[in-house]
Amino acid sequence: EAQVTQNPRYLITVTGKKLTVTCSQNMNHEYMSWYRQDPGLGLRQIYYSMNVEVTDKGDVPEGYKVSRKEKRNFPLILESPSPNQTSLYFCASRESGRAYNEQFFGPGTRLTVL
Amino acid sequence: AQSVTQLDSQVPVFEEAPVELRCNYSSSVSVYLFWYVQYPNQGLQLLLKYLSGSTLVESINGFEAEFNKSQTSFHLRKPSVHISDTAEYFCAVSPSYSGAGSYQLTFGKGTKLSVIP
Repeated sequence: EAQVTQNPRYLITVTGKKLTVTCSQNMNHEYMSWYRQDPGLGLRQIYYSMNVEVTDKGDVPEGYKVSRKEKRNFPLILESPSPNQTSLYFCASRESGRAYNEQFFGPGTRLTVL
Repeated sequence: AQSVTQLDSQVPVFEEAPVELRCNYSSSVSVYLFWYVQYPNQGLQLLLKYLSGSTLVESINGFEAEFNKSQTSFHLRKPSVHISDTAEYFCAVSPSYSGAGSYQLTFGKGTKLSVIP
């Protein structure tokens, strides 16, 4: 089954404790992206990757890091989480870079930073 | 740069009634337009998209949207909603040219549709 998986689905942590949210897709997609979803703000892009070793900032990259060492994986790293990073996070992927291709979303990771 | 405005944050509607979810966009270039749906506790799924050609596009579950270039709108409609349509709906836009920036989707803030039995 074609899918985007994220782990963990739920995470409660404390300020300053480094964490990684994993994202993996099995569709051989070149383009991958991370979004955060907050009430009343919709989806905002954090980082995206056009292909292996090619990443770039989205609209709200502060406090986040990413890497793309393999085509299928695109982990999101919070080096020193803060309470304002409490949010619902989605990973997404699509074939090639063009936005007219359907974007497939993971199930989401709900992060709470105390 | 593009922007998307979804005029209603919440829309309650009775079952079997019609519904319209409004979306307006702003862009200095030609665009592709999308509606994504997010069911409770799930990720987003593509509902329908307009790329070119006929301005009226339909989804497999009875929704339709009409691209209106002069009004820069892409409203989503359904003539008779079901309980299962309860979800959050996101309008999105991307440039239709190729090259730098063409890969970015810009989302609206979403409209929560609540279907009342």
